[in-house]
Amino acid sequence: GESVGLHLPTLSVQEGDNSIINCAYSNSASDYFIWYKQESGKGPQFIIDIRSNMDKRQGQRVTVLLNKTVKHLSLQIAATQPGDSAVYFCAEAFQGGKLIFGQGTELSVKP
Amino acid sequence: GAVVSQHPSRVICKSGTSVKIECRSLDFQATTMFWYRQFPKQSLMLMATSNEGSKATYEQGVEKDKFLINHASLTLSTLTVTSAHPEDSSFYICSASIPGLGSYEQYFGPGTRLTVT
Repeated sequence: GESVGLHLPTLSVQEGDNSIINCAYSNSASDYFIWYKQESGKGPQFIIDIRSNMDKRQGQRVTVLLNKTVKHLSLQIAATQPGDSAVYFCAEAFQGGKLIFGQGTELSVKP
Repeated sequence: GAVVSQHPSRVICKSGTSVKIECRSLDFQATTMFWYRQFPKQSLMLMATSNEGSKATYEQGVEKDKFLINHASLTLSTLTVTSAHPEDSSFYICSASIPGLGSYEQYFGPGTRLTVT
């Protein structure tokens, strides 16, 4: 099946704290997973990706963890800043470029 | 980096009219472009996959006669919402993939806000 978003859950954190955003996916055939950041009124912006044969990947201030056993993906943001406030989506990627987006989480960072 | 533009950024049209949205890859050629629709506070829903020079592939539940997609060149895909109704009001986003960099690479446009009155 495909992940369908209904209403966005929200996560509120204090500036400087670490944030963990979770995502459950549904398709075992996904080759690749991608996290996107979307600011209000804009298109999604690539953050980090991970192949299905990996369980962890680190970027600058961000880490993605993949647990294929329970079909769970997480995005960890270290030292969260006000500029990180946005909606975060995970997406399953398939050959040919097709993306299926997850529900999304709205991150709010308090200064 | 790769840039994708959309035009217009916002459009208001009357019910029953048609509106065309353009998606352009500015500094690369895109053999494949994708169209998404996003309702407020919801996720992006893939509508169709647009391949240059061939018919678009529509996702289940998306009416191909209502959402006409044309990908006439390697840098331009258009989405025409025909006989628009208020329920078609949404944020429409396109993306483009870059051939040769892996089929998973996609770059998103800034989106087009459509309001049907």
